[in-house]
Amino acid sequence: DAKTTQPPSMDCAEGRAANLPCNHSTISGNEYVYWYRQIHSQGPQYIIHGLKNNETNEMASLIITEDRKSSTLILPHATLRDTAVYYCIVREETSGSRLTFGEGTQLTVNP
Amino acid sequence: EAGVAQSPRYKIIEKRQSVAFWCNPISGHATLYWYQQILGQGPKLLIQFQNNGVVDDSQLPKDRFSAERLKGVDSTLKIQPAKLEDSAVYLCASSSWAEYEQFFGPGTRLTVL
Repeated sequence: DAKTTQPPSMDCAEGRAANLPCNHSTISGNEYVYWYRQIHSQGPQYIIHGLKNNETNEMASLIITEDRKSSTLILPHATLRDTAVYYCIVREETSGSRLTFGEGTQLTVNP
Repeated sequence: EAGVAQSPRYKIIEKRQSVAFWCNPISGHATLYWYQQILGQGPKLLIQFQNNGVVDDSQLPKDRFSAERLKGVDSTLKIQPAKLEDSAVYLCASSSWAEYEQFFGPGTRLTVL
């Protein structure tokens, strides 16, 4: 699995957009970019994933650069409940392939 | 729909004792995962089952850890004997084989004294 690099921590004001960066310079052509988050004392929760095109769902948007070496997760209007550790993961396209978590980014949303 | 269930939620044991954790995945999910999460780190996959067969156990310390998934539904993870460094949260997750999303349980926090 390709390695990802994320900042250890970020802060965001409530109601503002939170932009979480991730570098994955060694990603291969059949690897997707996944984002999970883990709220304190809970299990990780899937947010979004993508291959090369930008993706959006009810939780977030995922922007992947054209060379696929980096991506940004965008929470458009952060709330206090978005305070969590956010994990950027690259994962093979194969069904059932493993998720390899790094240390993630601790996002703190401040009132 | 009901989520992934785990028990117990907390366990405190002395080193060299044995301990077992139980996981009930989401109904119909063929794939089950056990992860270990040490404080301050991301979860690390210990073992992955497809139905009742093992797909990946490359990171399972087999000298002390064992896991089974009888009948392809519930699963148990056992540690025997426990060491201090086994103190961690043990997370269970499940997914459909072709599904991209893994659903995680709340975890079991193990403290080894």
